Amino acid sequence: SQQGEEDPQALSIQEGENATMNCSYKTSINNLQWYRQNSGRGLVHLILIRSNEREKHSGRLRVTLDTSKKSSSLLITASRAADTASYFCATAPRFGSGAGSYQLTFGKGTKLSVIP
Amino acid sequence: DTGVSQDPRHKITKRGQNVTFRCDPISEHNRLYWYRQTLGQGPEFLTYFQNEAQLEKSRLLSDRFSAERPKGSFSTLEIQRTEQGDSAMYLCASSFAGTGYGYTFGSGTRLTVV
Repeated sequence: SQQGEEDPQALSIQEGENATMNCSYKTSINNLQWYRQNSGRGLVHLILIRSNEREKHSGRLRVTLDTSKKSSSLLITASRAADTASYFCATAPRFGSGAGSYQLTFGKGTKLSVIP
Repeated sequence: DTGVSQDPRHKITKRGQNVTFRCDPISEHNRLYWYRQTLGQGPEFLTYFQNEAQLEKSRLLSDRFSAERPKGSFSTLEIQRTEQGDSAMYLCASSFAGTGYGYTFGSGTRLTVV
């Protein structure tokens, strides 16, 4: 079953604009990760944020985590055509929560289109 | 190339045939995962190995599916008596042990059952 749910399902923006994607989840987590997938390819790990962190940056990426609301957001600043891809959030369950200890659970993804 | 390799990239098979996929993880990683992804969905967990031990299996992994990781190196995923519903992208990933590590995914094997 899929725990994470990304919003929106699809997003279309102009090159240079910022893109924000949101993720909600249901159970307690150890960490939350964001991945990118180009059409028909494997997933690429972008960033990991632990449950005791609130914000993390990596290049043009900014991730926030609100464990009280069980939600996360991914911001891509100054988007480029090459950012066109599907973006997935994935959660790692907290130890002792009863869920599989090491498996990541993915959402359905947000399909981002950046128009040149 | 130090990434995760999957073979074959594409497989078309007739319903009822057996298929086997191979995954070569990053050599330093001792965890290996198999996921399945259908069109428009996120990857769904199938099974996970730590070294050669298969530690977790999803309910999705029916008795027609079997996975091995001999000697804790490469892994194989076999599907027996394939059904049309098995058509999907099968993704392999590997990671270091412990929490706080992201997965490195292979490019996947796309299975089409006709």
